[in-house]
Amino acid sequence: GAVVSQHPSWVICKSGTSVKIECRSLDFQATTMFWYRQFPKQSLMLMATSNEGSKATYEQGVEKDKFLINHASLTLSTLTVTSAHPEDSSFYICSARPHGDEQYFGPGTRLTVT
Amino acid sequence: GQQVMQIPQYQHVQEGEDFTTYCNSSTTLSNIQWYKQRPGGHPVFLIQLVKSGEVKKQKRLTFQFGEAKKNSSLHITATQTTDVGTYFCAGQLMTTDSWGKFQFGAGTQVVVTP
Repeated sequence: GAVVSQHPSWVICKSGTSVKIECRSLDFQATTMFWYRQFPKQSLMLMATSNEGSKATYEQGVEKDKFLINHASLTLSTLTVTSAHPEDSSFYICSARPHGDEQYFGPGTRLTVT
Repeated sequence: GQQVMQIPQYQHVQEGEDFTTYCNSSTTLSNIQWYKQRPGGHPVFLIQLVKSGEVKKQKRLTFQFGEAKKNSSLHITATQTTDVGTYFCAGQLMTTDSWGKFQFGAGTQVVVTP
């Protein structure tokens, strides 16, 4: 149990376009989902916390207008990278938190902006 | 800035040897979690420590939470090639709100030679 999926797993887009990444909890409901970003050989950096039905809370330095987060249901959160640039190329990982203490991570989405 | 520091960043271990990775926080933690990320994979939850001085074991892995709840360690005995990966600690800060955000350490990348 406790499976989190992400779609797509890998995406290449042109500079200036927008990309939407989906995060789904497949067998549990998650009132809270987290979005992380990971650069090669670096730690996960929390970008934002997403609560179902309310606005996301962004970490310092993360542009809310650039990284749009929507937590539309208890099993789905989306991250949209708007007007992507090459420096946005990274590995984006979501995690979902049921009422317990654990976080379950998605497999990640590798974004390459050309 | 980074509030959760993890050392060493890189650990080269001979198969069969023991090693320890340490996680230190500048502030008191509510709890700490450990994750393992295999090369090319996503972080997988290993364990959570909550109580001051808590020690938990998972086969060859021993996790410890300091008395002051500011530091933690992961000790692996008789390292095997399957232990290869990056081990992250993630501390939940005492000042964190109810959404349960964590701050990740930079990770310890473990390489095991046969």
